[in-house]
Amino acid sequence: NAGVTQTPKFQVLKTGQSMTLQCAQDMNHNSMYWYRQDPGMGLRLIYYSASEGTTDKGEVPNGYNVSRLNKREFSLRLESAAPSQTSVYFCASSEALRSSGANVLTFGAGSRLTVL
Amino acid sequence: QKEVEQDPGPLSVPEGAIVSLNCTYSNSAFQYFMWYRQYSRKGPELLMYTYSSGNKEDGRFTAQVDKSSKYISLFIRDSQPSDSATYLCAMRTGRRALTFGSGTRLQVQP
Repeated sequence: NAGVTQTPKFQVLKTGQSMTLQCAQDMNHNSMYWYRQDPGMGLRLIYYSASEGTTDKGEVPNGYNVSRLNKREFSLRLESAAPSQTSVYFCASSEALRSSGANVLTFGAGSRLTVL
Repeated sequence: QKEVEQDPGPLSVPEGAIVSLNCTYSNSAFQYFMWYRQYSRKGPELLMYTYSSGNKEDGRFTAQVDKSSKYISLFIRDSQPSDSATYLCAMRTGRRALTFGSGTRLQVQP
């Protein structure tokens, strides 16, 4: 049981280049999320998808786009990378984002992105 | 001001010590409180979950929530070197996704 799989694990980009981070989960979860983690800032939500066919902005969405390709897959795209987007990106999933309950997240191992 | 504040540490303790990790928050609507543990170069994983105020114990770990003070704590008894990790508090309300603290790095010295 793989859980949440992210690719690539590492990537170096030049300013202005574009790239897509891929995420897939095999737990039949409805909700998926993209967070970035920076020193001293903790985990900040970029975008999330409460269910297949829906996406919503989180705390720091500028410079990113997402696609919920199907129930399993949720990708994050950087159209024109900037040095401020150097970070570790985590994809996560949960059974469902409801109005009650813990909404326990299962995280992937992370993707380390450096923008020069 | 951040909604959730957490001392980044690092916190260094000897093996066997009792560890206290804390978070404060500003949004009184938060109802669900969690602690995630993150080992170096790994994704966070859920450690403890509590709903509203009170205590919850799981082995060597105890989570406390004081909603009147907007303060949550995680206690680790008989700390082990394997507890060395970053501990992130997280909380939520309604249909909002989790809001995380910045994490406290803990080092347990053998």
